[in-house]
Amino acid sequence: DAGITQSPRHKVTETGTPVTLRCHQTENHRYMYWYRQDPGHGLRLIHYSYGVKDTDKGEVSDGYSVSRSKTEDFLLTLESATSSQTSVYFCAISAPPGYEQYFGPGTRLTVT
Amino acid sequence: QQPVQSPQAVILREGEDAVINCSSSKALYSVHWYRQKHGEAPVFLMILLKGGEQKGHEKISASFNEKKQQSSLYLTASQLSYSGTYFCGTETTSGTYKYIFGTGTRLKVLA
Repeated sequence: DAGITQSPRHKVTETGTPVTLRCHQTENHRYMYWYRQDPGHGLRLIHYSYGVKDTDKGEVSDGYSVSRSKTEDFLLTLESATSSQTSVYFCAISAPPGYEQYFGPGTRLTVT
Repeated sequence: QQPVQSPQAVILREGEDAVINCSSSKALYSVHWYRQKHGEAPVFLMILLKGGEQKGHEKISASFNEKKQQSSLYLTASQLSYSGTYFCGTETTSGTYKYIFGTGTRLKVLA
């Protein structure tokens, strides 16, 4: 199994609070992705990174920011959480680019 | 814009075959297929690249029709372990390695 972990695995937070989710990999893969998964919508790309400090937006990036200061870590931040951001968040890694993605175990986030 | 998957759900008996389709409104450069079991992360099945190259699972096959902007996943002689939700992920801009996933096809195999 690819070495990819997510933290926290579960989080409940209140509307308006900032939240940061962490994805950590031990594979030294260049590409990292953040997705959210909601019933009826499947997996939707939030942001992705193609190298340290190199990131780009996905299809549902509003309200989210990311940072990647080291190859192994990709952080997803919700600056001011809203109830619509209640979801399961998956991180994925890929290398070389274009090859299969390995997904982390997911983080279940509930915004009350 | 998310690719459209069909059917949305299918129920099979063990040993039966199934086809899952993925259609895009944009040109496709590659298609990935993943299976997800309830409460788990998606797991890689297959990659199809423009030009016909395929990489993936030995017991699952797929096709990629570049002109129709479609891909199909063929599950033959289904087993109980094939149950889950299948997603296609499409790359619509060459070289970005940015994938847009479909909404999924729920497949249940009965004994």
